[in-house]
Amino acid sequence: SQELEQSPQSLIVQEGKNLTINCTSSKTLYGLYWYKQKYGEGLIFLMMLQKGGEEKSHEKITAKLDEKKQQSSLHITASQPSHAGIYLCGADKGIYGKLTFGQGTILTVHP
Amino acid sequence: GAGVSQSPRYKVAKRGQDVALRCDPISGHVSLFWYQQALGQGPEFLTYFQNEAQLDKSGLPSDRFFAERPEGSVSTLKIQRTQQEDSAVYLCASSRDRENTEAFFGQGTRLTVV
Repeated sequence: SQELEQSPQSLIVQEGKNLTINCTSSKTLYGLYWYKQKYGEGLIFLMMLQKGGEEKSHEKITAKLDEKKQQSSLHITASQPSHAGIYLCGADKGIYGKLTFGQGTILTVHP
Repeated sequence: GAGVSQSPRYKVAKRGQDVALRCDPISGHVSLFWYQQALGQGPEFLTYFQNEAQLDKSGLPSDRFFAERPEGSVSTLKIQRTQQEDSAVYLCASSRDRENTEAFFGQGTRLTVV
């Protein structure tokens, strides 16, 4: 069974709209990573969160980790077609950086 | 090179054929990971190396899968007697050390078994 659940599985938005992707764990997270993947490509690192309540931003993307360290959200403000892709959350089990991933959220942004 | 390099990018194998997938990690990176990503799924852990030592191979799906990193840099993932269920993207990632640092991923090798 998946340890990490992402929602929604897919998302279609109009350019300029805000959106949120969620990642929920059945266990307390040691660390939570967000990656972006273009179809057929490797994973591009976005952000890593480790502390409960932590929030990080990069350009128009903000990621948060809740106080209990079991849920994370990724928020994109004023989406652009360049944001389109697959967003993956990965849980660090605290063992040399080994990651368990969610199933991914496919984001489509219409111009 | 500047990033993690994987070759080949695409591989088509006939069922029963052996394949070898190569990963060139970022120079000096101690940790190296292999993941398998089926279509529409997130990557799943296969195996982990710290330098040349394979410390975790718990994710390898069968004894047909074998990985090595003999000199602590380049790694090869070998799949013997390929089956259709082996069709997937195989991703390699490296990180600077064994602590929780950012893992850099390669572009992956897409294996199709026909």
